[in-house]
Amino acid sequence: EIVLTQSPGTLSLSPGERATLSCRASQSVSSSYLAWYQQKPGQAPRLLIYGASSRATGIPDRFSGSGSGTDFTLTISRLEPEDFAVYYCQQYGISPRTFGQGTKVEIK
Amino acid sequence: EVQLVESGGGLVQPGGSLRLSCAASGFTFSSYSMSWVRQAPGKGLEWVANIQEDGSEKYYVDSVKGRFTISRDNAKNSLYLQMNSLRAEDTAVYYCARGSGIFDSWGQGTLVTVSS
Repeated sequence: EIVLTQSPGTLSLSPGERATLSCRASQSVSSSYLAWYQQKPGQAPRLLIYGASSRATGIPDRFSGSGSGTDFTLTISRLEPEDFAVYYCQQYGISPRTFGQGTKVEIK
Repeated sequence: EVQLVESGGGLVQPGGSLRLSCAASGFTFSSYSMSWVRQAPGKGLEWVANIQEDGSEKYYVDSVKGRFTISRDNAKNSLYLQMNSLRAEDTAVYYCARGSGIFDSWGQGTLVTVSS
């Protein structure tokens, strides 16, 4: 099983600032099969990024993903008020599919 | 518009059973693999099970193997999760999700509480 470790646990930023979220895997994620999701309180997760760097349909271009192997990053270039949420990374290279524990992006 | 609507959650005693359902619309259900993902209260996400498009292959997380069964009825555009021998640690919101690798659409979830 691939264990995904996200850091930091909480990120306190102001609207307009840049957010950089990290996801580290316990072993290499094949073919960059790494996705990112956003979850707001009381809502289901929403797919943001797949294949490490491809944006899902309808996702604004302020969201970008990068990385390969064991180290991946989600960057939000300029935080909008609606971006404050919890973000999860997930690998789908091998079974079982696993998620990171999440990074909460909160308003400073 | 893709819609996934879960139902069947509720309060059940340890050792009991529940059957969750997910009604799909807005896409060709029979062309997609499907999954169940759960989230314990205040915790992160955990993939539970997935099923291939024709139902021929099914996969489970180790913690539910032998207790949960995923199934589908393509004629009814529906996904199911039969949960037996429920434990307190199965308490969670259960989401139906489209896909078996990338989960590109999610339902709103149904809460399962296992408690005496």
